[in-house]
Amino acid sequence: KNEVEQSPQNLTAQEGEFITINCSYSVGISALHWLQQHPGGGIVSLFMLSSGKKKHGRLIATINIQEKHSSLHITASHPRDSAVYICAAYYRGSEKLVFGKGTKLTVNP
Amino acid sequence: EPEVTQTPSHQVTQMGQEVILRCVPISNHLYFYWYRQILGQKVEFLVSFYNNEISEKSEIFDDQFSVERPDGSNFTLKIRSTKLEDSAMYFCAGGPEYNEQFFGPGTRLTVL
Repeated sequence: KNEVEQSPQNLTAQEGEFITINCSYSVGISALHWLQQHPGGGIVSLFMLSSGKKKHGRLIATINIQEKHSSLHITASHPRDSAVYICAAYYRGSEKLVFGKGTKLTVNP
Repeated sequence: EPEVTQTPSHQVTQMGQEVILRCVPISNHLYFYWYRQILGQKVEFLVSFYNNEISEKSEIFDDQFSVERPDGSNFTLKIRSTKLEDSAMYFCAGGPEYNEQFFGPGTRLTVL
């Protein structure tokens, strides 16, 4: 079954800490998204990955296809990074995104 | 920068009523999607739409649901006879390619 699992479910950090959120998936993905969902509900796409590593500002996303694992890292975390971070995957032969349950990140000042 | 827009932001309806949720995708997008998120749960795929027809749909997308792109700009989701369990946030998304998606802000549907 095509699934996406995330850990941890909840994460609390102090401002400035390095954050890692993990995502694992089943065999057969074609691409993986990291998304951010703010308390108001809106969803923003952060990264789309099919291999390697991408960086945007303080955010870094990596994917290891053989290990079926991806990570999202936030360096020098800030309270404004507080949000739900969602991993979602495309499986080959399908156009739909399969979503993880999300990781709720709270960064305290 | 162009954005995907959705209206209304919040819709309250009585059980059994029809609702239409509207989305205006970015103009160069070719692939369109509807997702829903029941409160406290993960986002679920409903339907994808390409070349003026449904390209994929989930088990959730039964005969009560339909989608249309009536005028080449709006993309609508219709629920014919709403149930209590249809209460959720509904997100529209679009993209120039199937694996690149830009999400709208969502419509919160409350069925009483």
